[in-house]
Amino acid sequence: KNQVEQSPQSLIILEGKNCTLQCNYTVSPFSNLRWYKQDTGRGPVSLTIMTFSENTKSNGRYTATLDADTKQSSLHITASQLSDSASYICVVRSGYNKLIFGAGTRLAVHP
Amino acid sequence: DTEVTQTPKHLVMGMTNKKSLKCEQHMGHRAMYWYKQKAKKPPELMFVYSYEKLSINESVPSRFSPECPNSSLLNLHLHALQPEDSALYLCASSPSGSDPYNSPLHFGNGTRLTVT
Repeated sequence: KNQVEQSPQSLIILEGKNCTLQCNYTVSPFSNLRWYKQDTGRGPVSLTIMTFSENTKSNGRYTATLDADTKQSSLHITASQLSDSASYICVVRSGYNKLIFGAGTRLAVHP
Repeated sequence: DTEVTQTPKHLVMGMTNKKSLKCEQHMGHRAMYWYKQKAKKPPELMFVYSYEKLSINESVPSRFSPECPNSSLLNLHLHALQPEDSALYLCASSPSGSDPYNSPLHFGNGTRLTVT
C-alpha cells in the first residue's frame, strides 16, 4: 500500500535553533517527492521538489534530502524563526500519477 | 500573496442551501484541482481538470458539482451538504494539462466552509 509517514507529529523548538523533520514512504513506483509548508488557515506552499537522482536541495534556510534506496527524506530548518511555525507536509508522486500526502509535522517555534 | 485566488474566504450555509466556491488563476496553468482538508489532516483530492475538462473525480458525492468555465476559472457548486462536509476547501493549479503532477501545485488560501 502506498503510504507516506512523517515524524514527529509535532515539534516545539526555540527560535534560532535547528530542527529536522522526517518523511518515510512506501510509494512505488516513485516519481518525485515534495515538501510543502502550510501556515494555519492558508494553503500549502511548495518548498522543494526532488526527483530520484537528487540527494539534496536547498531553499534558503530549508534543506531537503532524499535517499531513494531507503525511501527516506528529511527537511532541515536552520536558524529557525517564529515565522517557521507551520505544518510541513511531505508529498510523494507515484509513477501512476497519484499524489500521496503525509499527515504533516506541526512545528511551533517559540521565542 | 498566493497567485490562486479563492472566494469567499469563509462561508456558512444551511443544509438546504445552494452556494458556490470560486477559484481564479492567471498564471496560464492548464490543470486545476479541488481539495478538501479537515482540521489537522492532509488535503484530500476531490477533482482534477485538465484543459478545462474533468479528468479525475475521486468518487465525490454528487452534492459537490465542479465546473470549469474557462482556463482561468474553477467553481465548486454545493447543494444539500451535510455538517460533516465542513472543512477547508482548497483550489490549486499546475502548469501542465497533459502531465498535471509534474510541477508543484500552487494552492489558494482556501474557503473555510461551515455547514449548519
